[in-house]
Amino acid sequence: DVKVTQSSRYLVKRTGEKVFLECVQDMDHENMFWYRQDPGLGLRLIYFSYDVKMKEKGDIPEGYSVSREKKERFSLILESASTNQTSMYLCASSLGQMRNQPQHFGDGTRLSIL
Amino acid sequence: DQQVKQNSPSLSVQEGRISILNCDYTNSMFDYFLWYKKYPAEGPTFLISISSIKDKNEDGRFTVFLNKSAKHLSLHIVPSQPGDSAVYFCAASRLTGFQKLVFGTGTRLLVSP
Repeated sequence: DVKVTQSSRYLVKRTGEKVFLECVQDMDHENMFWYRQDPGLGLRLIYFSYDVKMKEKGDIPEGYSVSREKKERFSLILESASTNQTSMYLCASSLGQMRNQPQHFGDGTRLSIL
Repeated sequence: DQQVKQNSPSLSVQEGRISILNCDYTNSMFDYFLWYKKYPAEGPTFLISISSIKDKNEDGRFTVFLNKSAKHLSLHIVPSQPGDSAVYFCAASRLTGFQKLVFGTGTRLLVSP
C-alpha cells in the first residue's frame, strides 16, 4: 500500500518566518506534487517534480520553492511566510510517466501563519 | 479562471438512493478525468477515472459518465451508503500536461440513513 507521509499535521508559524513542509513517500514513485486546499477553491498545484533535483512550477508557485534531493522526499519551502499562505497543504506522489497512474495523497498539513 | 467546475457545493441523499455528482470543464484539451474522495482530516483518495475515448467507466457502485460535446462528466453512486459521505473532487488533465491535474472545488455529499 502506498504511503505518503507529511511530517506535521498542524503547524503554526509567524509572518516572515521561513517554513519547511516535508513529505516522504515509500513506493519509489518518480512524481511528487504539492497542493494547497482552500475553501471554495479546491486543490491548486503549487509545484511538482518528476525526478530528483527536477522541479516544475504549478499554477500558484509565487512565494514558494521546493527541494527534491532524494527520490522519496519532496520539501515545500515558504521563503517568508505571509498570512495569505494559511491553508491546508497536501503532498502527493505517482508512478512514472503513465497518466493512468493515480496520485496518492498524504493526510495534509494545516498551516496557520499568524 | 476555473477550468474545472463543480457547481453544487453540497448534495444530500438518502441511503440506498442514487447520488449524482456533476462536473463541467472549459478546456477542450482535457482528455483524462478523475474523481477523488476526501474524508475530513485525510488526504484525497482516488476513486475512478475515464479517458476521453470512452463515455462510461464503471467500478462496482461507482460509474463515471463523460459527455465531451457538453464538456460535462458525472459520477453516479448506486446505491449510496452513509460511508460515502465525503467531499468529492473532480480533476482533469491534458495529453501534453504530463500528470498535472486541475481540480474542481469539490462537492460535499451527505448520505443519511
